[in-house]
Formats: sequence, C-alpha cells, structure tokens
Amino acid sequence: QQQVKQSPQSLIVQKGGISIINCAYENTAFDYFPWYQQFPGKGPALLIAIRPDVSEKKEGRFTISFNKSAKQFSLHIMDSQPGDSATYFCAVSGGSNYKLTFGKGTLLTVNP
Amino acid sequence: EAEVAQSPRYKITEKSQAVAFWCDPISGHATLYWYRQILGQGPELLVQFQDESVVDDSQLPKDRFSAERLKGVDSTLKIQPAELGDSAMYLCASSSIPGTEAFFGQGTRLTVV
Repeated sequence: QQQVKQSPQSLIVQKGGISIINCAYENTAFDYFPWYQQFPGKGPALLIAIRPDVSEKKEGRFTISFNKSAKQFSLHIMDSQPGDSATYFCAVSGGSNYKLTFGKGTLLTVNP
Repeated sequence: EAEVAQSPRYKITEKSQAVAFWCDPISGHATLYWYRQILGQGPELLVQFQDESVVDDSQLPKDRFSAERLKGVDSTLKIQPAELGDSAMYLCASSSIPGTEAFFGQGTRLTVV
C-alpha cells in the first residue's frame, strides 16, 4: 500500500510562474511532512517541512500548504526559475517507528 | 557545514560479486537510514538504525543484503551476491530525531554488469 501519493509526475512551467505539486496520505498518525529537492546525480536535499499544527509555512519562494481534514499537502514554488528545475519529493513520517516514506517524485522543468 | 559522507561515489561490479558501501553520518545523529533509489523513482527505505540497533529492515532483502552500525556511528551496507536488478543509487541519510530532518549524502551509484 502506497503511504503517500504524489502528483503530477511531471510539470512544465514558464519562468516567473507558480509551480504546484500535491501529495495525499491516508495514515492520520503521520505528523511530519517534508519536501525534498533532488538534482541529477545528487542526494535529495531537505527544502521545507511542516507539522500538522499549522496550515501553511513559507520559506522564501517555497510554501507548504497543509489540509489536515483532506489529508493533503502541497508545495508551491513562486516566481519559478530555471534553476528550480529538479525532481521534487514529498515524504511522510510518524506513527510507531517514525519511518520516513517518500512519494514517487515530480520532475519539474522551468523554461526560460 | 556538516555533511553525510558516502563512499564510493560510483561502483561497477560484476553479477555474483560482493560489494560494500560506507556511510559516515552527521556527528551526533543517532538515526541512520539506507535508501535505494531506482532511476526515476522515489527513495525506498532499506534499513533504519537508532544508534547501533536496527529499528526497521522490513524492505531489506536479507538473503543478499546486510547492514551494520557496530559502534553507532558509521555504517556499512553489503550486497552478496550482487544481481543485475541491484543497479541503483544507494543513499545514506541521518537525523538527530527519528523520522525528521533527514540529511542525505551524495549517494553511491551502483552498476551491476
């Protein structure tokens, strides 16, 4: 059973546009929701994370929106830049063993 | 800036040979993870340590994979014998608190021929 479902699989936006990636989960025991950015040939890098006690967290151009009742969270990248072109992964954690489980990823391409 | 160190960066091995990967987590991080990432997919957890103890190895193919963290610091992941389907990126990560703020190393790209 997939712990977290991520969409879309790929996304193309123009420079200056807004990129939105979504994730949905089922287990209400999850209490930590990070987003990771990965460039080709590199390990994933922690971008931003949220706990369920807040509905939104913003760090620079990156914002997480969290909807506890819908069991969904999303990453918004404002003013998208070509340097943001990468694969983005959502993840979930919590419950009995605090295992960090990743979504399948979204390949973002920002055109100049 | 503290980093998770992994070696080697790249490894090519023949089918049926043994291969080992090494990871040195960020100092003070008690939780260490080994993930496998197939090209185009998300990282999949193979094993999670808390200090020197395994807390999750449910997805580790134990007939051929083994992992240890003897002194609760650095860790080794071994595959014996390697199979063609083991070709992937092997990622190590560490965190100070289990399941949160995990920092990844650069990974080891394994190719089995």
